[in-house]
Amino acid sequence: DAMVIQNPRYQVTQFGKPVTLSCSQTLNHNVMYWYQQKSSQAPKLLFHYYDKDFNNEADTPDNFQSRRPNTSFCFLDIRSPGLGDAAMYLCATSRGTQNSNQPQHFGDGTRLSIL
Amino acid sequence: GENVEQHPSTLSVQEGDSAVIKCTYSDSASNYFPWYKQELGKRPQLIIDIRSNVGEKKDQRIAVTLNKTAKHFSLHITETQPEDSAVYFCAARTSYGKLTFGQGTILTVHP
Repeated sequence: DAMVIQNPRYQVTQFGKPVTLSCSQTLNHNVMYWYQQKSSQAPKLLFHYYDKDFNNEADTPDNFQSRRPNTSFCFLDIRSPGLGDAAMYLCATSRGTQNSNQPQHFGDGTRLSIL
Repeated sequence: GENVEQHPSTLSVQEGDSAVIKCTYSDSASNYFPWYKQELGKRPQLIIDIRSNVGEKKDQRIAVTLNKTAKHFSLHITETQPEDSAVYFCAARTSYGKLTFGQGTILTVHP
């Protein structure tokens, strides 16, 4: 009964070879987030969608892009992965309005390895 | 932007003891403070949260306190069990649900 589903759980790619990670949700939440989490560190927000509005964090590398074709799906595209991009990538969703405080629900993550 | 400091980075307790993890935040506009538990290789799981209009919240063995004036909040786990061993993250929320996480605390509960 997973509500935020990430595929694949493990992804191996070659240095410089584009890779796409996917996230889907059954919660009908309007906000979706992508986080990068490296070993022994806190999750770091890369970007989020508030409905269709895309919000990029200032320090997110240009190498990282995202698409949200509909409410349920969100994709993380890494155009030219470098060794430093090896990490766990977490997708999260929440039901958001400007004045509400709703919890974020995380997926199980995709662990990305770069060869 | 928001900055969240979390202490301690590691915490080791004996089973049955209490554990306390503390966080401070910088942005007085932050109004929502969740705590996540993350076991090795797994997703962060929300264990308790508190909103800025509340000073304390309790759920069985877990409690969170918030001091808005001092801009700090704390997680209290009583009667710890080995299965409580994990990494705990505090976070603070400002606009549009954006969370800023603390650095994490590795809690080890020894049987």
